Amino acid sequence: DADVTQTPRNRITKTGKRIMLECSQTKGHDRMYWYRQDPGLGLRLIYYSFDVKDINKGEISDGYSVSRQAQAKFSLSLESAIPNQTALYFCATSDPVGPAGMNEQFFGPGTRLTVL
Amino acid sequence: AQTVTQSQPEMSVQEAETVTLSCTYDTSESDYYLFWYKQPPSRQMILVIRQEAYKQQNATENRFSVNFQKAAKSFSLKISDSQLGDAAMYFCAYNGNNNAGNMLTFGGGTRLMVKP
Repeated sequence: DADVTQTPRNRITKTGKRIMLECSQTKGHDRMYWYRQDPGLGLRLIYYSFDVKDINKGEISDGYSVSRQAQAKFSLSLESAIPNQTALYFCATSDPVGPAGMNEQFFGPGTRLTVL
Repeated sequence: AQTVTQSQPEMSVQEAETVTLSCTYDTSESDYYLFWYKQPPSRQMILVIRQEAYKQQNATENRFSVNFQKAAKSFSLKISDSQLGDAAMYFCAYNGNNNAGNMLTFGGGTRLMVKP
């Protein structure tokens, strides 16, 4: 079974709709992240969380919100989707053992979101 | 802010040959970590190799090795004996040791095609 799962894998929605992307992990990691991938831009950080009570904005948080329901669950919401939010979205986890930078991030399979 | 640049949007290599993917980065930090991630058509992000900036020795993982030039802020990936399964998007990523959020900064990616 996958350690980091994302649902749905693919989603098509319309402008103005609210949508939630969900991420679950069985790795027992405290740190979780949401990234967005666009062609030519790589992955950019939307939000990250160190634990259930610690939520932080990333590079491109406008238009998004998150909820850390439990250590294992981290959801990303688009309150009112717009076409330029069409992208591939990744959830990731990491374990703060050792120097911060050494931490490998473990990625989910991604959610392809299309906003019409 | 740190930036990561991958100047080759696409590369191709003949099966069994060697190919080098380029990555440059900009930072004022002296202690940091660099990564190469592979993204096959399945979309899964897979860590290929990591390099600690304080280590002068270049990292190697089987057929994958890096050429880390700290003064030039260059971090290229060499793939030897290329295989069809190496065809994928490759992302270079940076993580500074002063980065409490353990956030990765990604380059725009290089698409590698392997010709049989």
